[in-house]
Amino acid sequence: NAGVMQNPRHLVRRRGQEARLRCSPMKGHSHVYWYRQLPEEGLKFMVYLQKENIIDESGMPKERFSAEFPKEGPSILRIQQVVRGDSAAYFCASSSIGGKKYFGPGTRLTVL
Amino acid sequence: GNSVTQMEGPVTLSEEAFLTINCTYTATGYPSLFWYVQYPGEGLQLLLKATKADDKGSNKGFEATYRKETTSFHLEKGSVQVSDSAVYFCALRGGTSYGKLTFGQGTILTVHP
Repeated sequence: NAGVMQNPRHLVRRRGQEARLRCSPMKGHSHVYWYRQLPEEGLKFMVYLQKENIIDESGMPKERFSAEFPKEGPSILRIQQVVRGDSAAYFCASSSIGGKKYFGPGTRLTVL
Repeated sequence: GNSVTQMEGPVTLSEEAFLTINCTYTATGYPSLFWYVQYPGEGLQLLLKATKADDKGSNKGFEATYRKETTSFHLEKGSVQVSDSAVYFCALRGGTSYGKLTFGQGTILTVHP
């Protein structure tokens, strides 16, 4: 059983471009969480999704950021018009209902 | 709101030394507490957890005791190995939360032979 997959592992974007980060949960997991780790800081919760539903997006910036977890395919975290302050490591975690949470290796976004 | 404060790093130790990484928290209700470890290039892995006061979590020689009176969950290991070099994160899940974690800032541990 493959673990949580994230791609790309490293992503470089120029200011104003769009960034798309993908997370494939473990097989059988229907819950996905996204966290962001800014330099020198801990992980901060961004959003919690179940298949086709956003359950809690209280940690998402109000503008430019969106997330989805479609019925088929990976969860996508989308950042429009990136700025330098978006440079961070973005981690995805997945779980089954009430189950242990498994983290992916992260995507490191660099905005030039 | 919930918050977690971890001992600042980095921490550098010689093999077989004793390790303590301090962690204190602020939360309402009765949170569950966790330690996660991140090895280079990998995702976070759950190291140990405790779900109620006075519980002791343990795994791979690491231990942490849930101390409600001091709101602490310090990580300890009696004899570290080079392979323990990693980043360690303390985290909590609020008593009324479905799974959302609040993390500390992480502590880098380097163990030298």
